[in-house]
Amino acid sequence: DFVMTQSPESLAVSLGERATINCKSSQSVLASSNNKNYLAWYQQKPGQPPKLLIYWASTRESGVPDRFSGSGSGTDFTLTISSLQAEDVAVYYCQQYYSTLYTFGQGTKLEIK
Amino acid sequence: EVQLVESGGGLVQPGGSLRLSCAASGFTFRSYAMNWVRQAPGKGLEWLSYISGSGGSIFYADSVKGRFTISRDNAKNSLYLQINSLRAEDTAVYFCVREGDSGSFSVSWGQGTLVTVSS
Repeated sequence: DFVMTQSPESLAVSLGERATINCKSSQSVLASSNNKNYLAWYQQKPGQPPKLLIYWASTRESGVPDRFSGSGSGTDFTLTISSLQAEDVAVYYCQQYYSTLYTFGQGTKLEIK
Repeated sequence: EVQLVESGGGLVQPGGSLRLSCAASGFTFRSYAMNWVRQAPGKGLEWLSYISGSGGSIFYADSVKGRFTISRDNAKNSLYLQINSLRAEDTAVYFCVREGDSGSFSVSWGQGTLVTVSS
């Protein structure tokens, strides 16, 4: 089974500063057939369902602000918010969809310092 | 606009059963794989089950295999989750989720339905 481990569990960043969240998979999610990483990032605000931010590790979903970016390959991935805005306060999850038994990371809570 | 509306949640006693439903609209339902994901109060997301567009492929998380049954009715644009032998740890919000056009990431989420297991 794929185990997704996020770090840190919580993070406090000042407005306008960079926020970085890491996600490590217990197995590679890079497919040799198409050279794609089967890794997505979601944002969940209180009382709301999750929202897709990034897929294929680095492709931004339509309508997602360009301050959000994803990077990494194989087993190590990063979600970066280049300039934190107040509306970015949320819990962020990574998810692998390489295996049909999809798994999520435990979540990273992002707050304003 | 894609809409996913879950229903069927509620308070149920341990050992009981529930059938959750998800009404889909705004897209060609039969063309998309669907999933159920749950979230216990104050906890993270847990993927539960997958069903292909035709219903021919089904997968479950080990934690629910044997107790949960996913199904779909493409004529009714509906997704279902039958949950048996409910336990306190099944208390959660259950989300219906649609996959993307180009991959199995979760593009669209319903608002969820709350299942509470308690005596």
